[in-house]
Amino acid sequence: AQRVTQPEKLLSVFKGAPVELKCNYSYSGSPELFWYVQYSRQRLQLLLRHISRESIKGFTADLNKGETSFHLKKPFAQEEDSAMYYCALKYIFGTGTRLKVLA
Amino acid sequence: KAGVTQTPRYLIKTRGQQVTLSCSPISGHRSVSWYQQTPGQGLQFLFEYFSETQRNKGNFPGRFSGRQFSNSRSEMNVSTLELGDSALYLCASSWTGGNQPQHFGDGTRLSIL
Repeated sequence: AQRVTQPEKLLSVFKGAPVELKCNYSYSGSPELFWYVQYSRQRLQLLLRHISRESIKGFTADLNKGETSFHLKKPFAQEEDSAMYYCALKYIFGTGTRLKVLA
Repeated sequence: KAGVTQTPRYLIKTRGQQVTLSCSPISGHRSVSWYQQTPGQGLQFLFEYFSETQRNKGNFPGRFSGRQFSNSRSEMNVSTLELGDSALYLCASSWTGGNQPQHFGDGTRLSIL
């Protein structure tokens, strides 16, 4: 069965610290993976997708098929990064991780 | 370009009633997906429509149904409402679905009394 697991409900880091939001998936085929973000009082929006291999707002995510992971990383967190982050395998979403960046 | 529009924004119903929610996708998008979001279960996939045909379906009972019109607008219907159907219902559109990124609406907040 397809599944997406985000083990952390809440992640608090200090401004300037590195951030890693974990995402593991379960899928037998070739995965189509996305990270979506929801800022306060805004719509859920795409942050990045694995096929584009791009960096958005300083975030990157690398697909590791061996570990079935798609962790989201940023070297230096900023206060405006505080938001809810969802990992998605096509239409299957994880439960989300709330990132709080402390001043 | 206008974003995904969902109507109504809020809805209050009682148990046993039925409800219809509407979603207008971004112009040109042909895939429309529906999700139920609750604090306990998170975002759960209901179904996806593409070119007026249901192409993918999640694990929801038959009380949840949908349709898509020729202009790609979509409606979702829930019959015999239960208290547990109280949730935020999100619609998302994309060009063709699949590995295309989804664009979400603000949702319809449904409360069942």
